[in-house]
Amino acid sequence: SQQGEEDPQALSIQEGENATMNCSYKTSINNLQWYRQNSGRGLVHLILIRSNEREKHSGRLRVTLDTSKKSSSLLITASRAADTASYFCATDQITGANSKLTFGKGITLSVRP
Amino acid sequence: SAVISQKPSRDICQRGTSLTIQCQVDSQVTMMFWYRQQPGQSLTLIATANQGSEATYESGFVIDKFPISRPNLTFSTLTVSNMSPEDSSIYLCSVAMGGIETQYFGPGTRLLVL
Repeated sequence: SQQGEEDPQALSIQEGENATMNCSYKTSINNLQWYRQNSGRGLVHLILIRSNEREKHSGRLRVTLDTSKKSSSLLITASRAADTASYFCATDQITGANSKLTFGKGITLSVRP
Repeated sequence: SAVISQKPSRDICQRGTSLTIQCQVDSQVTMMFWYRQQPGQSLTLIATANQGSEATYESGFVIDKFPISRPNLTFSTLTVSNMSPEDSSIYLCSVAMGGIETQYFGPGTRLLVL
């Protein structure tokens, strides 16, 4: 089963508004990452937050992590039409010798101009 | 970061045939991965391509169906064998440098099997 589960599955907002996307996961993690995918292309890494961090900022992105609730949120402020994409959370789980990323189902964000 | 290219970018194949996808990185990387993304779905890890040894496959994926080569630290191939329409997906390679933490993805290969 998927480690990460994002919600909502789809989000439509007006340009200039903020977009908040949530991700929940099931097992202990080393870190949690957010990726963006435009129109079925490759994924672009947005931001990484480690398990001992609670909040991180990068430009218009703000990510939070609550390990007690096993959840994370990604906030995009002052959204632009160019932010229209699918967003995935991915967890780097604590496994054996090799860690690996497990991706959630993704959120489709549409920003209307 | 790393610049990753994949060939082909897309292909339409007949069932029963095989397709080999290439992944080239512009620098030496520690880890290379192959993912499948079925239409409208998330990414599923197929295998980790190990340089100089056999790939490590995830549950549900086998070497006979998805043979992988990794002859050096900058190149890997994934073959989708004996294809069926269910193999229609985007196949993505990714790399991690140094620590595993951040992965950089290629542009993907969009495969349609008729």
